[in-house]
Amino acid sequence: GDSVTQMEGPVTLSEEAFLTINCTYTATGYPSLFWYVQYPGEGLQLLLKATKADDKGSNKGFEATYRKETTSFHLEKGSVQVSDSAVYFCALSWMDSSYKLIFGSGTRLLVRP
Amino acid sequence: GAVVSQHPSRVICKSGTSVKIECRSLDFQATTMFWYRQFPKQSLMLMATSNEGSKATYEQGVEKDKFLINHASLTLSTLTVTSAHPEDSSFYICSASPGKGAYGYTFGSGTRLTVV
Repeated sequence: GDSVTQMEGPVTLSEEAFLTINCTYTATGYPSLFWYVQYPGEGLQLLLKATKADDKGSNKGFEATYRKETTSFHLEKGSVQVSDSAVYFCALSWMDSSYKLIFGSGTRLLVRP
Repeated sequence: GAVVSQHPSRVICKSGTSVKIECRSLDFQATTMFWYRQFPKQSLMLMATSNEGSKATYEQGVEKDKFLINHASLTLSTLTVTSAHPEDSSFYICSASPGKGAYGYTFGSGTRLTVV
């Protein structure tokens, strides 16, 4: 079945470091791909998304490119801030009758001053 | 932007009692709402999908008689945990979409349920 695999955390970085969180997916066809962020004690917020191959989603300095050939959607940011500390979830969804999201296991990011 | 309000944010209840969690879309009509459960430091597990005016579709392994979902209007869905037990303690999150997810999903802020 469809699934999303993320790198295990926690990822600990110093402020202004470069961030990469790997995400790969398994699916037949081309789903839409998402990154969500969850701050402590809160629900999820959509960070960015891409709906077709080679699309690049971007928001708040974060970027991810939909790579069909490697079935990946890695999240990157050039310079992280302490306020970026959160849990990041990669997810996929199909534009079919269910539209439900399938989440990866989440990657906790801790940015130290 | 789209806002989903989830209430309560925290609730403590005694074993054997029932707890109702509300999920409201404040500025859009939510055709579809989803209910998730999140265990500590783990991902979100989809429990059920509810469409306004029809019965919820439960994921495999989720007890429909224990987790009652009602989606009576386009702006409100409720999850009732019946006869709660300590193992039901978890973080429950709802999300809503105006068009079966095609136009994006907005998540509520979650409900921390503790059963004592």
